Amino acid sequence: AQSVTQPDIHITVSEGASLELRCNYSYGATPYLFWYVQSPGQGLQLLLKYFSGDTLVQGIKGFEAEFKRSQSSFNLRKPSVHWSDAAEYFCAVGAPTGTASKLTFGTGTRLQVTL
Amino acid sequence: DAGITQSPRHKVTETGTPVTLRCHQTENHRYMYWYRQDPGHGLRLIHYSYGVKDTDKGEVSDGYSVSRSKTEDFLLTLESATSSQTSVYFCAISGLPGQGAHEQYFGPGTRLTVT
Repeated sequence: AQSVTQPDIHITVSEGASLELRCNYSYGATPYLFWYVQSPGQGLQLLLKYFSGDTLVQGIKGFEAEFKRSQSSFNLRKPSVHWSDAAEYFCAVGAPTGTASKLTFGTGTRLQVTL
Repeated sequence: DAGITQSPRHKVTETGTPVTLRCHQTENHRYMYWYRQDPGHGLRLIHYSYGVKDTDKGEVSDGYSVSRSKTEDFLLTLESATSSQTSVYFCAISGLPGQGAHEQYFGPGTRLTVT
């Protein structure tokens, strides 16, 4: 069975500082990987996805993530955080088989940005 | 905007009463999903649908049923609500015609409180 671990429950960074959110997954082959962001009281918005190919993927809002097969990781990064990035971030893994996409989510990392 | 709405957005109900949540989409996505979000658990899949009248169970399906009688609507029913079903419920969609199934787009959520 697939699983996702986000080891950091809460992270605080200063505006303008760089950011890295960690995500480790468990899956028997190369999975599909996703990062979603959720602002308070809102639904989840897809930031970026990895299916295959280039292991560094670019997403919206200046975010990027790198797939590292040897470490079973898919960490999210941003070089300079803005106050509006404060939100909760979820990593998810999906099996690239079958038809429907049954995603397994991590428990999330809440990002606080200080001015 | 993926054209997905949920109703109601908020509901308070008493233990033992039936509750139905509705998810409506306007863009002919093939797949629809129901998740629940609870603190410390991320999002967990309840049920999903891969076509009209075609549904299957997810990770936490006990106490829930679903129906999809037309492409645009996916209903989640709690036959007899319990306090453990107090949660935020999200609907998601994926699989536009001619596209893959693996990118999910989320609705705004329904906050359900069972007293």
